[in-house]
Amino acid sequence: ETGVTQTPRHLVMGMTNKKSLKCEQHLGHNAMYWYKQSAKKPLELMFVYSLEERVENNSVPSRFSPECPNSSHLFLHLHTLQPEDSALYLCASSQDSTNEKLFFGSGTQLSVL
Amino acid sequence: AQTVTQSQPEMSVQEAETVTLSCTYDTSESNYYLFWYKQPPSRQMILVIRQEAYKQQNATENRFSVNFQKAAKSFSLKISDSQLGDTAMYFCAFRDFYGGSQGNLIFGKGTKLSVKP
Repeated sequence: ETGVTQTPRHLVMGMTNKKSLKCEQHLGHNAMYWYKQSAKKPLELMFVYSLEERVENNSVPSRFSPECPNSSHLFLHLHTLQPEDSALYLCASSQDSTNEKLFFGSGTQLSVL
Repeated sequence: AQTVTQSQPEMSVQEAETVTLSCTYDTSESNYYLFWYKQPPSRQMILVIRQEAYKQQNATENRFSVNFQKAAKSFSLKISDSQLGDTAMYFCAFRDFYGGSQGNLIFGKGTKLSVKP
C-alpha cells in the first residue's frame, strides 16, 4: 500500500480540454513533486513544492499549472495540451525538500488526442 | 551536468538465479547519493537501495546489493535469488548531496528485467 495516492489512474483528453491531476500523501511530508515519465526517456522533474511554496520549476510550459493548497495535496492543472504531452505523470513526496528519500505514487497515464 | 547511463535496455533471468544491472554516471561532485528504484507494472516507483558516495561500504538490502566503484563512476545492482515479483523496470538515479536542485533526482532510462519461471 502506498502513502502517496494519485487520481485518476488514466486520463484521455482532447487538446482543448481542461483537466486536473490530483495527488495526496498520507506520510506527513512537507515536500511534494511532479515528475513526467515519457516513453524511452528518463524521468523529468517538473515542479517542487516545499511547505506549500513552489521552490523549483524546471522550465515547464505554462499549459501545466501546479497548485499546492496544503502540505498533503498537490494538483497539476492541464489546459490546451499537445499530443507530445502524453506521458505518465508521477507525484512524489519527501520529509522535506532537502531529504533525498522520495516516495512515489502510481501515476496518472495521460493521453492527449 | 550530471548524467546517468543504463546500457542494458532489457535483461532476463531465471527464477532463483542472480542478475546484475549496470549503471554508470558522470559528475564532478565528490559527495552525492545514488539510488536504484524499481517500477513494477503497478507503475509505482519503489526505492530498492540507496548509497551515499562518501561511504565506501556497499549498501545491501536483503537480496539486493550494489557494487559501488566511485573512481569508475559505476553503480551496479545485484539481485540474488531472483523472484517472479522482481519483474519490473529498474532505474538508476543520482542526486547531488546538497540538493542543488532540490529533489532533482537524475534518472537513467531504465532496464526492463524479466524473471522467468
